[in-house]
Amino acid sequence: ELKVEQNPLFLSMQEGKNYTIYCNYSTTSDRLYWYRQDPGKSLESLFVLLSNGAVKQEGRLMASLDTKARLSTLHITAAVHDLSATYFCAVDGGTGNQFYFGTGTSLTVIP
Amino acid sequence: KAGVTQTPRYLIKTRGQQVTLSCSPISGHRSVSWYQQTPGQGLQFLFEYFSETQRNKGNFPGRFSGRQFSNSRSEMNVSTLELGDSALYLCASSWGLSVDEQYFGPGTRLTVT
Repeated sequence: ELKVEQNPLFLSMQEGKNYTIYCNYSTTSDRLYWYRQDPGKSLESLFVLLSNGAVKQEGRLMASLDTKARLSTLHITAAVHDLSATYFCAVDGGTGNQFYFGTGTSLTVIP
Repeated sequence: KAGVTQTPRYLIKTRGQQVTLSCSPISGHRSVSWYQQTPGQGLQFLFEYFSETQRNKGNFPGRFSGRQFSNSRSEMNVSTLELGDSALYLCASSWGLSVDEQYFGPGTRLTVT
């Protein structure tokens, strides 16, 4: 079965610091998605990475994909409190819209 | 344009009962997927419907079923509810012609007592 692992599971960081969340997966998929979830809310799409070497940036977040290493990273630059949320990566199963989600990384940015 | 809508937003049921949840996709989207989110198991895929046909199914017991109507609206049904079915049920819609980005609804919070 396709497995998606994220680390760390929990991340507490100070405002202004940089950090990276890692997402490893066990399939040869070349599509990877990042979502954000605020407490009690649904999933908000952040990035769609569709090929090896893809890099996308939005504000203080940058995501990249290395399909050969089966690894995606979500880099946070100069964190601010508003980025506090849980971040999920997801990989498609290749047979339709069947996503396999990582365990999630709960990010807390401390002022 | 309107996003994915789910009804009801909150539901409390008793063990042994059955429940039906509804999802209306973004206009034009033909694929609807359902996911269960729990603290212990995380986000797990239930099933996907495309053009009224179940295209994919996750590893859930037969008590979980779904259907899709001609207007792409989808329902999922859980029969003989168990305490472990308490979860946030999310549906997501997409164009469905190929594997593409999914847009998630606000979810239905089901509590089984």
